[in-house]
Amino acid sequence: EVQLVESGGGLVQPGGSLRLSCAASGFTFSSYEMNWVRQAPGKGLEWVSYISSSGSTIYYADSVKGRFTISRDNAKNSLYLQMNSLRAEDTAVYYCARDKLGSSWYDYWGQGTLVTVSS
Amino acid sequence: DIQMTQSPSSLSASVGDRVTITCRASQSISSYLNWYQQKPGKAPKLLIYAASSLQSGVPSRFSGSGSGTDFTLTISSLQPEDFATYYCQQSYSTPRVTFGPGTKVDIK
Repeated sequence: EVQLVESGGGLVQPGGSLRLSCAASGFTFSSYEMNWVRQAPGKGLEWVSYISSSGSTIYYADSVKGRFTISRDNAKNSLYLQMNSLRAEDTAVYYCARDKLGSSWYDYWGQGTLVTVSS
Repeated sequence: DIQMTQSPSSLSASVGDRVTITCRASQSISSYLNWYQQKPGKAPKLLIYAASSLQSGVPSRFSGSGSGTDFTLTISSLQPEDFATYYCQQSYSTPRVTFGPGTKVDIK
């Protein structure tokens, strides 16, 4: 059974940092491209970042470029999102999502982890 | 960036109703359009990919159509478990995808 389990969310002050993790199981993690998608409270879905299966190709949404860093450890079946210089507008539930066949439709999602940026 | 719009933003329907949700892209995206269902407090679930392909395990009452800029998600006979918010997503500009604002389907 495919499972994606996020962790690392919490309350952080503006300007602070957090590192999110996504533990994958039930599939060959190293064969799949992965993404982070977020959802602000009561709002819609926003794509945040993409990483290729090998980790060699990375993209970011303009809203997080220069502040967030996506990475993966295929030996540990894990995806990460390092978030620095956090702002109030980064408050959201963050989901990791598996890319089906590399075509940017997401066939599996984690349960999400809430990041709250507030003083 | 490709902008996505959905209509209506919300609708009320009864069990057994046929429900249609429309999604429009700001430019042609061929058939690179996907649909997700999200229930409160849960992650989105993929329903339809590539405009009209049914994701494995999704009931056949869900169907998708369209190409270019205009797309439709249809639920042929609404069931109690279908009350949720539905999002379209364009994957034409992969991996920089964008989602529509969502359509909330609730009980009349």
